[in-house]
Amino acid sequence: QSALTQPRSVSGSPGQSVTISCTGASSDVGGYNYVSWYQQYPGKAPKLMIYDVSKRPSGVPDRFSGSKSGSTASLTISGLQAEDEADYYCCSYAGEYTWVFGGGTKLTVL
Amino acid sequence: QVQLVQSGAEMKKPGASVKISCRTSGYTFAHYTIHWVRQAPGQKLEWMGWLNAGNLNTKFSQNFKGRVTFTRDTSASTVSMELSSLTSGDTAMYYCAREGGYNIDYWGQGTLVTVSS
Repeated sequence: QSALTQPRSVSGSPGQSVTISCTGASSDVGGYNYVSWYQQYPGKAPKLMIYDVSKRPSGVPDRFSGSKSGSTASLTISGLQAEDEADYYCCSYAGEYTWVFGGGTKLTVL
Repeated sequence: QVQLVQSGAEMKKPGASVKISCRTSGYTFAHYTIHWVRQAPGQKLEWMGWLNAGNLNTKFSQNFKGRVTFTRDTSASTVSMELSSLTSGDTAMYYCAREGGYNIDYWGQGTLVTVSS
């Protein structure tokens, strides 16, 4: 299966909001409400930030939110903080017990 | 708390195999599926497949079918991944991660595998 499409980079100033898109197909993002988002710092393992499209695990700030429209999922980070600068990856269940990741987006806090 | 602790870094020659272990704790081992994901240097996450620790069912990405094997040791709450016929293209950080209801939630710290002659 092909990787989900994410912008290579996004940026924003502290306090602003940014949105990262994740575009797939009807066979993955569009077909299931099992999209998750991960934050990854350099040299570290990914950390779950959003699951089931829009649910936040305990301990994740409510500045992080997720949504989906058709075959495109989105992660929005509001009230940007310096510590949010990281790589972000989306992941979707793709049917037949397979999963697919996005290409990753580097978030820069200006 | 849920923890996944992986074995240490490996250096292998082309053509060799590598086996990485993932010791879990903090939850009922047999109730969850463990996925394996790899990340080449500076590259994206790549899903490799999974092992259901309870019933031993497996699923592999087409990209790795025939080269990867998943095993489990219930007594040690450990899942292992073996990748064979290594090439330089397999140089990557390999992660194990637990699945909670169609979402991958907790991750191991990663194991760096370097393939070089």
